[in-house]
Amino acid sequence: DAGVIQSPRHEVTEMGQEVTLRCKPISGHDYLFWYRQTMMRGLELLIYFNNNVPIDDSGMPEDRFSAKMPNASFSTLKIQPSEPRDSAVYFCASSLWGQPQHFGDGTRLSIL
Amino acid sequence: AQKVTQAQTEISVVEKEDVTLDCVYETRDTTYYLFWYKQPPSGELVFLIRRNSFDEQNEISGRYSWNFQKSTSSFNFTITASQVVDSAVYFCALSEAGIQGAQKLVFGQGTRLTINP
Repeated sequence: DAGVIQSPRHEVTEMGQEVTLRCKPISGHDYLFWYRQTMMRGLELLIYFNNNVPIDDSGMPEDRFSAKMPNASFSTLKIQPSEPRDSAVYFCASSLWGQPQHFGDGTRLSIL
Repeated sequence: AQKVTQAQTEISVVEKEDVTLDCVYETRDTTYYLFWYKQPPSGELVFLIRRNSFDEQNEISGRYSWNFQKSTSSFNFTITASQVVDSAVYFCALSEAGIQGAQKLVFGQGTRLTINP
């Protein structure tokens, strides 16, 4: 079975540009999570969805960040405008109710 | 607030040695879950184990074993007869038993384990 699929794997862009990260969860999973990993802050939860509905976005750092889940098989995390301090590895994870999360390979984002 | 502390930032051992990674957690919840994830050099996060707060039985899976002690709020991970392929960053994580079944993970800072040949 396919795991969580994230794209792109790497993204390099200039400050001020819009960045869109994509995630396809494991088929049948009803929870989807977005995490960010940085050296300073480690792994931190940004937002999670249940049945395509955002449940908790308290970890989203600021209004420049937005996430959507238009259907059960696709989610996006958008940063607009991007800043150098947004450089990080962004992970998407999915799970079934009450089950452990399975992570994608991550997107390494560099904002110049 | 929930917190996970992995005091060992880096560990380096020689192949075939046993190594224990420490994890100490803080939570006010009576029901919670503890996890270990592995992040190899390729960068992905691999789920290793989950324990719930009512199950203090130690678990063994091949060369891996986990020791959960509520009395000391610890969930330590031991690799027996370590191999070079075990080299990775290992994360301990904690989640409450979410109302909606979602397990919001709070991660420790990770321990970088290097196994030298």
